[in-house]
Amino acid sequence: DVKVTQSLRYLVKRTGEKVFLECVQDMDHENMFWYRQDPGLGLRLIYFSYDVKMKEKGDIPEGYSVSREKKERFSLILESASTNQTSMYLCASRSGGSYGYTFGSGTRLTVV
Amino acid sequence: SQQGEEDPQALSIQEGENATMNCSYKTSINNLQWYRQNSGRGLVHLILIRSNEREKHSGRLRVTLDTSKKSSSLLITASRAADTASYFCATWANSGYALNFGKGTSLLVTP
Repeated sequence: DVKVTQSLRYLVKRTGEKVFLECVQDMDHENMFWYRQDPGLGLRLIYFSYDVKMKEKGDIPEGYSVSREKKERFSLILESASTNQTSMYLCASRSGGSYGYTFGSGTRLTVV
Repeated sequence: SQQGEEDPQALSIQEGENATMNCSYKTSINNLQWYRQNSGRGLVHLILIRSNEREKHSGRLRVTLDTSKKSSSLLITASRAADTASYFCATWANSGYALNFGKGTSLLVTP
């Protein structure tokens, strides 16, 4: 079964800490995405990558960076976590030849 | 930027009833997708309808698309408690690479 894996379901960090959220897919998909989901705001695109070492800003990239050194792995980095980054973070991937996304289970990050 | 908006925000029905959710979008599309999200989990792709299609079926799901009204609907027939979830429509952002999702309809199906 094809998978997008976000290994951390829950994470608690302190304000100012550096946070790494990892996403791994086993489907050889070219495109990978990071969204955050907040009540009343829906899903908002943070960053996406359409190839290894390529990245594009989404709608809300401020305070975040990403890394894609290998095709299967797309990392989201919070350089200095703040309380307003408390959220559910969802990773997704897509083959260049298809339309649908495959999502991971999400990481619920709490910044205290 | 969000392209699609679902309506209603929340829907509560009993098992066996049909559930209808609507999605409106703003710009022209090539296709529109529907996703389901169980509580606290990731989204799951349900169905895609292309701009030249008016209706599509998949099991108990029926999706319609009216490009003249820029709207789509998702009908779940004979609902089950396991259908309890949030449902999102999604359309392509201007970049062509990423999807924009609506805020979702929260469906509660009670036994």
